[in-house]
Amino acid sequence: GNSVTQMEGPVTLSEEAFLTINCTYTATGYPSLFWYVQYPGEGLQLLLKATKADDKGSNKGFEATYRKETTSFHLEKGSVQVSDSAVYFCALSEGGYNKLIFGAGTRLAVHP
Amino acid sequence: ETGVTQTPRHLVMGMTNKKSLKCEQHLGHNAMYWYKQSAKKPLELMFVYSLEERVENNSVPSRFSPECPNSSHLFLHLHTLQPEDSALYLCASSQLRGSPLHFGNGTRLTVT
Repeated sequence: GNSVTQMEGPVTLSEEAFLTINCTYTATGYPSLFWYVQYPGEGLQLLLKATKADDKGSNKGFEATYRKETTSFHLEKGSVQVSDSAVYFCALSEGGYNKLIFGAGTRLAVHP
Repeated sequence: ETGVTQTPRHLVMGMTNKKSLKCEQHLGHNAMYWYKQSAKKPLELMFVYSLEERVENNSVPSRFSPECPNSSHLFLHLHTLQPEDSALYLCASSQLRGSPLHFGNGTRLTVT
């Protein structure tokens, strides 16, 4: 079946450091890919998405490119802030009713 | 305001109690979902409702009973739960076919 694999956390960075969180997927067909973020005490919020190969999703300085040849959707940000501290989830959608399959999540901690 | 409202935010219940979780969406979406988020485990899809019809039940025990009376409301009825059912229960909604999910802030359930 379809699945999503994320790098294990926690990822600990200093403010203004470069961030990469790896995500790879296994899927039949051509799923849409998403990154969600969860801040403490809250539900998940959509961060960015890509719906086809070579699409680049971007939002709030974060970017991810849908790479079909490597089945990857790595999340990057050039300069992280303390406020980016959260748990990040990679996900793919399958099915006509938009079922999402999530990775295990990667906790990011950014220190001043 | 997330557009998806869950109540209560916190719930503590004994193993013999009966309680219900409520979810309401104000986004005009036609699909609604229940997810379970446990510590150190990936998000688990429990139920999917599309156009008020249940389209997926992921081998969830019968002590969890969903109800979707209309496209804006979703309930999860709970009875005779076990301590391992303690988790964050997240509701989400979406349009069909590849659109992102919008999540509520969840109900933190503790079973004593």
